[in-house]
Amino acid sequence: NAGVTQTPKFQVLKTGQSMTLQCAQDMNHEYMSWYRQDPGMGLRLIHYSVGAGITDQGEVPNGYNVSRSTTEDFPLRLLSAAPSQTSVYFCATRRSSGGAADTQYFGPGTRLTVL
Amino acid sequence: SQELEQSPQSLIVQEGKNLTINCTSSKTLYGLYWYKQKYGEGLIFLMMLQKGGEEKSHEKITAKLDEKKQQSSLHITASQPSHAGIYLCGAAARQGAQKLVFGQGTRLTINP
Repeated sequence: NAGVTQTPKFQVLKTGQSMTLQCAQDMNHEYMSWYRQDPGMGLRLIHYSVGAGITDQGEVPNGYNVSRSTTEDFPLRLLSAAPSQTSVYFCATRRSSGGAADTQYFGPGTRLTVL
Repeated sequence: SQELEQSPQSLIVQEGKNLTINCTSSKTLYGLYWYKQKYGEGLIFLMMLQKGGEEKSHEKITAKLDEKKQQSSLHITASQPSHAGIYLCGAAARQGAQKLVFGQGTRLTINP
């Protein structure tokens, strides 16, 4: 039982390049989400999903796309990377989509630098 | 929108001393979470509080949610180097809310 896994752990991109951050969970959790963490800003929600085929925007969705074709995977796509997207990205899952009463589990993070 | 303010933003204490971190919300809290993050790593779940007045403890860490459900405190007794890291509080804005908002974090350093 691996929990929540993220790949890659580190990535350096040039401005304008595209890439996909991978997130996978083996806990059969309904709810999955992506956050970015920046110094002094805490965690900010980018996108979230309450189940396969359903996604919605968080606080800071611009520049990012997501899809949820399976329960297990929730990839985050950067179509044209910008220096402002330099950050640490965390994927998080929760058993139920029915509210915040369940514990939210976080992946180890992906550290992204855009030059 | 709901905002969470953590205080202090950073804290340096001598090993063995007690300390408290606060998390104050602009609105009523539903489901308050405390997480710990080691430098450069992911977030580890510590505790969740839901009811006003609730208090939970794990080893030397105690978290409380005040009666009015707008503030939570995290208290560490007899701090150790293993307690060092960033502590974050997260909360739901309403009952059944899908999204959590997080405070900006408190960076704790323990001096030997």
